[in-house]
Amino acid sequence: QAQLLQSGAEVKKPGASVKVSCKASGYTFTGHYMHWVRQAPGQGLEWMGWINPNNGITNYAQKFQGRVTMTRDTSISTGYMELSSLRSDDTAVYYCVNCRTTSSSGSFDYWGQGTLVTVSS
Amino acid sequence: DIQMTQSPSTLSASVGDRVTITCRASQSISDWLAWYQQKPGKPPKLLIYTASSLQSGVPSRFSGSGSGTEYTLTISSLQPDDFATYYCQQYNEDPPTFGGGTKVEIK
Repeated sequence: QAQLLQSGAEVKKPGASVKVSCKASGYTFTGHYMHWVRQAPGQGLEWMGWINPNNGITNYAQKFQGRVTMTRDTSISTGYMELSSLRSDDTAVYYCVNCRTTSSSGSFDYWGQGTLVTVSS
Repeated sequence: DIQMTQSPSTLSASVGDRVTITCRASQSISDWLAWYQQKPGKPPKLLIYTASSLQSGVPSRFSGSGSGTEYTLTISSLQPDDFATYYCQQYNEDPPTFGGGTKVEIK
């Protein structure tokens, strides 16, 4: 059974950066693209981007270009999402998700438990 | 970006009711559509992919249909565990985009 285990909640000040980790187990980490999706309190789902764990190639949503960096460490089957220049409207639950297919596009069959990032002065 | 519009935004129903949620895309998405169920404090759960394929382990009372720009999620007989928020998602092209959600409440 595939599983994605994320790092714990974070509280950050405006202007700071946050790095969320996502450890994969139960499947071949390098065989599926890892996406990141966020959800502001009481709001809908927003796609942030993906990383191909096999080669490290990334694709970011235009909204986050220049502020987000997705990386991976294949030796420990872990993906990372770093968001910089945090603002109050970045307060959200951040999810790592596994793409069901082996391509970059697809539905998301496994989700991490979510990491709440709170941005507050 | 492809815009996804769900309706209704809120739906009140009783156990045993047949429930239908609609998702409209701003352009054709060629059945590259998924449906998710989300309960408070939990991540979304995949129910349906490629418009009508049932994800493993999902009860058969859930079904998806549609084509082109209009898709529906149907729950044939609403169960107590089904009260939740439902989202559609297109993955025909980047960026993948989600509908605004439909909250299914107890009537």
